[in-house]
Amino acid sequence: ETGVTQTPRHLVMGMTNKKSLKCEQHLGHNAMYWYKQSAKKPLELMFVYSLEERVENNSVPSRFSPECPNSSHLFLHLHTLQPEDSALYLCASSQDGVGDGWREAFFGQGTRLTVV
Amino acid sequence: QQQVKQSPQSLIVQKGGISIINCAYENTAFDYFPWYQQFPGKGPALLIAIRPDVSEKKEGRFTISFNKSAKQFSLHIMDSQPGDSATYFCAATPGEESYKLIFGSGTRLLVRP
Repeated sequence: ETGVTQTPRHLVMGMTNKKSLKCEQHLGHNAMYWYKQSAKKPLELMFVYSLEERVENNSVPSRFSPECPNSSHLFLHLHTLQPEDSALYLCASSQDGVGDGWREAFFGQGTRLTVV
Repeated sequence: QQQVKQSPQSLIVQKGGISIINCAYENTAFDYFPWYQQFPGKGPALLIAIRPDVSEKKEGRFTISFNKSAKQFSLHIMDSQPGDSATYFCAATPGEESYKLIFGSGTRLLVRP
């Protein structure tokens, strides 16, 4: 496995369900991100973790809960979502502290989430 | 002030032509301007990036032109190919929060054979 891997690729969930999205990076990076991509707002930063500590929570509702147990893994726990939360959720990673490493984000293929 | 405005929303170019996508920003704290390319079913991938201390950067058929005084930058794709058909996003990061990529709204490019 190389790069940034996200599972599942597709997820359909009801508004009362609890589910989790998983991201794993094999690049040796020390920063990981969750982005939301939808038709209304193409690429919105949700959360940033650096060295497993959250450095950014971009006013995301509490029904989205991130978890970063180590520098290679990132989760997004979902509960009581709304239909408007349906979108492509993208994970990314980068390397802090090396030139422009922060800014060169490597993205996974995303999880297409549908809330019904 | 965090916005990056991108145009056009969509673009159709004949094979061999030049594709031009424009972006504008307001926040003078932005100091790094990358372009990302996204194919259907894939995540965005870094294509080329520029800092405001240079006016142009070229990598193969892709060129970024940067106008600091106008707060505008653009992507030029020379000799456009059908394989370049994708969605292109400009972005910017502020120096003090360099982890924060602020994306434009995207341009869907179609290169006709």
